[in-house]
Amino acid sequence: KNEVEQSPQNLTAQEGEFITINCSYSVGISALHWLQQHPGGGIVSLFMLSSGKKKHGRLIATINIQEKHSSLHITASHPRDSAVYICAVNTGNQFYFGTGTSLTVIP
Amino acid sequence: DTAVSQTPKYLVTQMGNDKSIKCEQNLGHDTMYWYKQDSKKFLKIMFSYNNKELIINETVPNRFSPKSPDKAHLNLHINSLELGDSAVYFCASSRLTGGTSYNSPLHFGNGTRLTVT
Repeated sequence: KNEVEQSPQNLTAQEGEFITINCSYSVGISALHWLQQHPGGGIVSLFMLSSGKKKHGRLIATINIQEKHSSLHITASHPRDSAVYICAVNTGNQFYFGTGTSLTVIP
Repeated sequence: DTAVSQTPKYLVTQMGNDKSIKCEQNLGHDTMYWYKQDSKKFLKIMFSYNNKELIINETVPNRFSPKSPDKAHLNLHINSLELGDSAVYFCASSRLTGGTSYNSPLHFGNGTRLTVT
């Protein structure tokens, strides 16, 4: 069983829709990261959080430490948001990665 | 002034060859990583290394070896390449020492697409 589970694995949305990607983990963490990878592209760090909520533009990330769960929300989704979103947790000396959520936003 | 740079971007080689991928970071981070991303986009850690400790994922064949000439570099050497080694390899760095308050986001290189024929 993977230490980090993401859902859904694949997601297709219409432009403008509100999107939620979920991440659950089973290890103790010092921080959780949300990463974005565009097709054929590099990997970019979107958020690093250890509690509460962070917002950057149309992206919002939340974490519930007690429930070992995090969500990434995208408001007013746009085709340029189409990418693979990866949840990763840092245990202090190791990173574990989810399998990623492939998001396609249709115009 | 790229934060994490890895070369080459593409590497095509034949089975049995030995190759290296270079990685450099100019962020002053203390920990560097090598990841393998398979065809399903799943990231698997291969090595993490800081100036004190090398952590090796036990599933990584010993044909793979990291070499760190200094804190800013972590190169990946691969001996006797096999078809199954074809993948995208990412270098990354972060800061982990100093406790959780000093944790930094992961910074990734742009990846090296290795094709073994």
